[in-house]
Amino acid sequence: DVKVTQSSRYLVKRTGEKVFLECVQDMDHENMFWYRQDPGLGLRLIYFSYDVKMKEKGDIPEGYSVSREKKERFSLILESASTNQTSMYLCASSLPQNSYEQYFGPGTRLTVT
Amino acid sequence: GQSLEQPSEVTAVEGAIVQINCTYQTSGFYGLSWYQQHDGGAPTFLSYNGLDGLEETGRFSSFLSRSDSYGYLLLQELQMKDSASYFCAVSSGGSYIPTFGRGTSLIVHP
Repeated sequence: DVKVTQSSRYLVKRTGEKVFLECVQDMDHENMFWYRQDPGLGLRLIYFSYDVKMKEKGDIPEGYSVSREKKERFSLILESASTNQTSMYLCASSLPQNSYEQYFGPGTRLTVT
Repeated sequence: GQSLEQPSEVTAVEGAIVQINCTYQTSGFYGLSWYQQHDGGAPTFLSYNGLDGLEETGRFSSFLSRSDSYGYLLLQELQMKDSASYFCAVSSGGSYIPTFGRGTSLIVHP
């Protein structure tokens, strides 16, 4: 059974803290993605990576960075968390030729207080 | 830029047929995909249409008209477990990476 896992289901952090969200996939997919999901706004792409050490900005990269040191792992970093980054964060992976077919992790509900 | 429009909510009764529409504006269109997400769950891929016409997978079908910039997801023989959010997503502009719509909440009543 294919799987995308995320390090935490729920996370509470304080304003100004550095936050790491980890994602691991076991499907040997080249592409990995980070989205945030907010009510009424759908899924918005933050960053994606098409190979180890490669990254591309998505639609809303401000305030975020990413790291991909190994093929199976893609990390999202909030350098200095702010309350407007309170959201559901979803990680996904796909084959490069089928980016429209993505496999999602269960999500991390991040609350910044 | 890109834009996608889909209804925010659709209600139907068990056993019925429901259609969720999606219209889009984009350049360099490749295709339209659909995802299902239950409350508290992860989005799961349902279908992709790269060409005009109807794609059928069991009780679910998806349709695309490139000339009308329009597609829909058709759910037949509705079951209570079909209550979920459904997202259309467009792939365009040199990449198959989808841009998601805001989602349609489908509520199935007994």
